[in-house]
Amino acid sequence: QVQLVQSGSELKKPGASVTLSCKASGYTFTKYPINWVRQAPGQGLEWMGWISTKTGKPTFAQGLTGRFVFSFDASVNTTYLQISSLKTEDTGVYYCARGVEDYGDYVAWGQGTLVTVSS
Amino acid sequence: NFMLIQPHSVSESPGKTVTISCAGSSGSIATNYVQWYQLRPGSAPSTVIYEDDQRPSGVPDRFSGSVDSSSNSASLTISGLRAEDEADYYCQSYDTDYFWVFGGGTKLTVL
Repeated sequence: QVQLVQSGSELKKPGASVTLSCKASGYTFTKYPINWVRQAPGQGLEWMGWISTKTGKPTFAQGLTGRFVFSFDASVNTTYLQISSLKTEDTGVYYCARGVEDYGDYVAWGQGTLVTVSS
Repeated sequence: NFMLIQPHSVSESPGKTVTISCAGSSGSIATNYVQWYQLRPGSAPSTVIYEDDQRPSGVPDRFSGSVDSSSNSASLTISGLRAEDEADYYCQSYDTDYFWVFGGGTKLTVL
């Protein structure tokens, strides 16, 4: 079955960087895009963007700054989200989610990674 | 910009039926498919409805989805409510650039 397993919680200081991972299994990795979604404490879901695992092209939500980088390594079926110059407002849970390609596909989610940014 | 509007919270008793609405704003909700996601504390989010009214395998048929063009809204209906249905539910669709758009989420309380 489709599984997305994300890396563990992170505690970082403001200004630092962090890289989150999302390892996929149970399907052909390069067939489906990977989306990233975040949820700040007490807030709703916010779509951050997605990366094509066919072309490597990232697409970012409007307003998302250059501090975010999407990448992947198809040899290990893993997608990465790097956040640089961390701010306290980056605190939240980050989810990866496999997108859809064909009718009948549905989104599969990772379990989420908690990132806490605090001095 | 296309937006999805959900009630902040709903509540109902076990065994009853509850409907969560998702209203489209600044655009037709029928243009693109609507999905519904369940978020329970301590669990990974899961898709309960996709392509407006389809259920992934493993999701009980107590969950159903619909889209009403006349009211420009989507609905998630859960019948035979159980305690384990208590969760946050989010509708999701796409804007003109196929960017994901989420509703604000609805907290379902099973009384």
